[in-house]
Amino acid sequence: DAMVIQNPRYQVTQFGKPVTLSCSQTLNHNVMYWYQQKSSQAPKLLFHYYDKDFNNEADTPDNFQSRRPNTSFCFLDIRSPGLGDAAMYLCATSRDSSPLHFGNGTRLTVT
Amino acid sequence: RKEVEQDPGPFNVPEGATVAFNCTYSNSASQSFFWYRQDCRKEPKLLMSVYSSGNEDGRFTAQLNRASQYISLLIRDSKLSDSATYLCVVHKAGGYNKLIFGAGTRLAVHP
Repeated sequence: DAMVIQNPRYQVTQFGKPVTLSCSQTLNHNVMYWYQQKSSQAPKLLFHYYDKDFNNEADTPDNFQSRRPNTSFCFLDIRSPGLGDAAMYLCATSRDSSPLHFGNGTRLTVT
Repeated sequence: RKEVEQDPGPFNVPEGATVAFNCTYSNSASQSFFWYRQDCRKEPKLLMSVYSSGNEDGRFTAQLNRASQYISLLIRDSKLSDSATYLCVVHKAGGYNKLIFGAGTRLAVHP
């Protein structure tokens, strides 16, 4: 089935140790997003790629970076994770303005 | 003021009840609206899009009131399996395809 796949499901990293989360899609959607969701809060958009164009949200910390080497893959890099970065990270895709399709998320723990 | 606001609930209702959620948005130029459902520790999943004329999908009815800038979701004949958090999502006009999430309304259906 066509889908959005995130790896790993659970990631534990140490304070300050760089970590990369990955997302792949078989939907051939042109837009890919990264959201951060903390407990009982709304998913918060970090950035998105519209085709190859990167769009960073104004309030996304510099600690968060992203790469999209091709249509199918997108990565979220956290350069120096802090305790406050522990959250669920959701990758989503869409074709233009269609509804989002989400991956099953990566739950990040920072120790 | 938040861009998308929802009553966090929880709404505790018995099986078979009818329950309604409202959501308000601040940007009058917003164009697309959606309801997503999110189960505990899972990714959001599209429940339904919201159209200007209102739309229905089985037991679920969505309405849009542009003049008052709110959307609503009505669930009839509630089932235990409807227990989840319902997220209101608004397309943020002026950007590429930036979807802004409300924090969600929790619904708990009990026997």
